[in-house]
Amino acid sequence: GESVGLHLPTLSVQEGDNSIINCAYSNSASDYFIWYKQESGKGPQFIIDIRSNMDKRQGQRVTVLLNKTVKHLSLQIAATQPGDSAVYFCAENINNTNAGKSTFGDGTTLTVKP
Amino acid sequence: ETGVTQTPRHLVMGMTNKKSLKCEQHLGHNAMYWYKQSAKKPLELMFVYSLEERVENNSVPSRFSPECPNSSHLFLHLHTLQPEDSALYLCASSHLAGQSSYNEQFFGPGTRLTVL
Repeated sequence: GESVGLHLPTLSVQEGDNSIINCAYSNSASDYFIWYKQESGKGPQFIIDIRSNMDKRQGQRVTVLLNKTVKHLSLQIAATQPGDSAVYFCAENINNTNAGKSTFGDGTTLTVKP
Repeated sequence: ETGVTQTPRHLVMGMTNKKSLKCEQHLGHNAMYWYKQSAKKPLELMFVYSLEERVENNSVPSRFSPECPNSSHLFLHLHTLQPEDSALYLCASSHLAGQSSYNEQFFGPGTRLTVL
């Protein structure tokens, strides 16, 4: 079946370093991808998204890269801060469906050491 | 806050109890979702409502019964649950694909359910 997967379940970085979180997807029909952040005791929150007609999108301190050739998605966080510690999920969507049905990956737990 | 609220935040119930989870969104969205989040597992989509009509039911046991009385409210009625149903239940909402260029989902904080 189709699935979205993350390469590493955990990632530990030093405060101030850059973080890279990876995700692999397998549904070639997916055309819209989202990264979510879930802090302890909260629901997932939208960070950044990207459509399949793009290969890079930048936000504030975050960049998402999409490589459709190898079906790979990454989230880069610049100058990682303690407040970035959370679980990060990628989600893939086929945006022509009536309601957005996301398939979520397993999640990567990011720990930022002071 | 995300504009999606859920009550209660925590719920402990016995296997013979009947309870309901409530979700409310203040974002003008027309699609609402229920997810189950268990430890060390991806988010599992349970139900999708689009314009108050159920469009997805991912083989969820009948002891979970959703209700969407209007586009702002979503309920999950629970009865005769099992201990393995203990999890975080998340509600989300979004625009429909035709209403917006982007239909990312906005999640509530979840209800932590424990079934004894």
